[in-house]
Parts: sequence; C-alpha cells; structure tokens
Amino acid sequence: DQQVKQNSPSLSVQEGRISILNCDYTNSMFDYFLWYKKYPAEGPTFLISISSIKDKNEDGRFTVFLNKSAKHLSLHIVPSQPGDSAVYFCAASAGGSSNTGKLIFGQGTTLQVKP
Amino acid sequence: DSGVTQTPKHLITATGQRVTLRCSPRSGDLSVYWYQQSLDQGLQFLIQYYNGEERAKGNILERFSAQQFPDLHSELNLSSLELGDSALYFCASSVVGGHEQFFGPGTRLTVL
Repeated sequence: DQQVKQNSPSLSVQEGRISILNCDYTNSMFDYFLWYKKYPAEGPTFLISISSIKDKNEDGRFTVFLNKSAKHLSLHIVPSQPGDSAVYFCAASAGGSSNTGKLIFGQGTTLQVKP
Repeated sequence: DSGVTQTPKHLITATGQRVTLRCSPRSGDLSVYWYQQSLDQGLQFLIQYYNGEERAKGNILERFSAQQFPDLHSELNLSSLELGDSALYFCASSVVGGHEQFFGPGTRLTVL
C-alpha cells in the first residue's frame, strides 16, 4: 500500500521555464509534507516543507502547494535551472507531537532541465 | 554537507555475512532514522532512535538491528545477509520535534 505516490517518473523542461512536480497521498493523518532533492551518489537534501495547516509555502524559486481536500501537493520551481536536474522525492509525516517523525517517501520524479 | 556522516561509503560482502553501518547525527540532533533504498525503489523507513531509545519501527527485517549510543551515534547491524539486501542505506537526523530530517551520504551495500 503506497501511501505517497509520485505518478510521473520523469519530467523534462527547458531552462527558464516552470517545473511542476506532483505528489498524491492517501493517509489523512499526514500532517507535514516535505520535498527532497537527490543527486546521484549523494543523500537526499531537504528542499522545502509545508504543514497541513497551510496551503502554500514559498522559498526563493521553490513553492509548495498543498490541496488537502484532493490529498495532493505540488512543487513549483521557477525559473528552472540546469543545476535543478535531479531526482525529487515527496515525503509525508504523521508524527504529530509524539516525535515519531518517520517519513513516508514517494518513488521520486527525475527532473531534467535542458539548457 | 548536511552534517550527518556515515561510514563506510561502500561495503562489499558475501551472503551469510554480518556488517555494521555507522552514523553520526548532526550536532545537537537527538533523533536518528535509518532508511533503505533498493534499486528503483523509494526510500523505505527502517527504524528510529531518539536519545538512545527505539522510538519507531518500520518494515525492518528481524535479521537487522540498530542501536543508538550515549554519544548519539547509531549503528545498523545487518546479519545473515542475502542478495536482496544490496541497497543504499541512509541515516538521517533531526532536532527534537523537528519534521525536517537531514540525510547522510549513505552506505552502498553490495552482497555477492
């Protein structure tokens, strides 16, 4: 049972354009969502996060949108740069205040930004 | 550099053997998490330790065990290794009550 799904294995965009990566989840108990970026032979790098009490969080070129009713979140990268080419993982947590913060990850989307 | 260190970076061993993977969390982080990434798979949560105590368990095999020491470093022990245990093993750490986890560079385990 895959609770976090990234249905697009790959995405290719032109430099300077917008990249939109999508993620769906099934567990209503998830209260925090995160995006990680991963380069080959490296560990995942935290990118941006959003609490379930918000619907948008922005950090520079990166914006995450959360639609709780649809159980859907998306990561927008504007403008996209060749250095953004990596695998992007969506993750969710249902930790609450218990400090049990295990993350449930999606399968990842490989983003290629073409110069 | 996330501040989380993992050793060794690569490990090649044979079926039936036992290995130990080591992780040092970021300074000040009390929680340590272990994840497994198999070929073409996302990251799967294995186990969490908080200040030396086991806090949460995922689909971790009985052949696998972990512990967190008083200096907060953690070790993941994998025994009776099988070919299917070949994977990347990541350690992550977080502050108390923090949602964001910071990952180490991983240990690539190859079982031949």
